[in-house]
Amino acid sequence: EIVLTQSPGTVSLSPGERATLSCRASQSVSRDYVAWYQQKPGQAPRLLIYGASNRATDIPDRISGSGSATDFTLSINRLEPEDFAVYYCQQYGSSPRTFGQGTKVEIK
Amino acid sequence: QVQLVESGGGVVQPGRSLRLSCAASGFTFSSYAMHWVRQAPGKGLEWVALIWYDGSNKYYGDSVKGRFTISRDNSRNTVFLEMNSLRAEDTALYYCARDQAPIVGALSYWGQGTLVTVSS
Repeated sequence: EIVLTQSPGTVSLSPGERATLSCRASQSVSRDYVAWYQQKPGQAPRLLIYGASNRATDIPDRISGSGSATDFTLSINRLEPEDFAVYYCQQYGSSPRTFGQGTKVEIK
Repeated sequence: QVQLVESGGGVVQPGRSLRLSCAASGFTFSSYAMHWVRQAPGKGLEWVALIWYDGSNKYYGDSVKGRFTISRDNSRNTVFLEMNSLRAEDTALYYCARDQAPIVGALSYWGQGTLVTVSS
């Protein structure tokens, strides 16, 4: 099983700032099959990024993903109020398809 | 539009069984893999199970392997999760999610979840 470790656990930022979230895998993820999801309180998760760097439908270009093999990053430029949420990475290159423990982006 | 509606949750005693259903609409159900993902109260996401578009392959998370069974009925556009030997640690909101692809992809659509509480 591939273990995904996200850091930091919580990050406090102001609107307009940049968020950089990390996801490290315990072994190389096949084909860089890493996705990122956003979850707000009381809501289901929403897909943001797939294949490490591809934006899902209707995701603005200030949200981007990068990385390969074992190290992946989600970047959110110019934080908007709606960006404050919990973010999860997931690998889907092998089963079981594991999630990271999440990073909370909170308002400073 | 894509809709996924879970049902079947409730309160169940430890050791008992429960069957969850997820009714899909707005897309060609038989063309996509389907998943179950759960979230314990106040905790993160845990991937539970996957079934390929045609039901030919199924995969499970380590914590549910041997106790849970995923299945699908493509004629009824529905995916199921049969949960046996339930434990307190299975208490969670269970989401149904659609894959991007028939076999391997990210989870592009999610239902709103059905709550399972295992308690005596």
